[in-house]
Amino acid sequence: EAQVTQNPRYLITVTGKKLTVTCSQNMNHEYMSWYRQDPGLGLRQIYYSMNVEVTDKGDVPEGYKVSRKEKRNFPLILESPSPNQTSLYFCASRLGQGAQPQHFGDGTRLSIL
Amino acid sequence: AQKVTQAQTEISVVEKEDVTLDCVYETRDTTYYLFWYKQPPSGELVFLIRRNSFDEQNEISGRYSWNFQKSTSSFNFTITASQVVDSAVYFCALSEAEISYNTDKLIFGTGTRLQVFP
Repeated sequence: EAQVTQNPRYLITVTGKKLTVTCSQNMNHEYMSWYRQDPGLGLRQIYYSMNVEVTDKGDVPEGYKVSRKEKRNFPLILESPSPNQTSLYFCASRLGQGAQPQHFGDGTRLSIL
Repeated sequence: AQKVTQAQTEISVVEKEDVTLDCVYETRDTTYYLFWYKQPPSGELVFLIRRNSFDEQNEISGRYSWNFQKSTSSFNFTITASQVVDSAVYFCALSEAEISYNTDKLIFGTGTRLQVFP
């Protein structure tokens, strides 16, 4: 089954404790992105990747890191999480250019205390 | 500037009523794509439809229909004979061809929460 898998689905942690949210897709998609969803703001792009070893900042990259060592995986790293990073996070992937819809993972709800 | 506006924050209807969710967009690109996604209470994002800027044909899929009008920069979504299972947050999104090729960016509206009561 074609899917984007995120883990964990839920996480409660404390300020400053490094965490990684994993994302994996099995569709051989070139493009992958991370978004965060906040009330009243919709979804905003954090980072994106056009292919292996090609990543760049989206609209809200502060406090986040990513890597793309393999085509299928695109982890989101919070080196020193802070309470303002409490949010619902989505990983997405898609094939080719703008015509293709993005496929989203089921979301990861992070709470930073 | 690219922008998607969903002015309706929340809509409540009774089952079997028809409901229209509004979406207005701004773009300078001549080639762009519009999307609707559904986010049910379980939280995942479900793709509903994609429409490109060269295709103004309206589309119907079962109880769902979409009205794309370039003249008013709108891409509205109508649910006919709504059901409780339609209760969700619905997002309209814009992808500009040139920008998305270089940034993979999808620009979302703030969403409309639809509640359908039995």
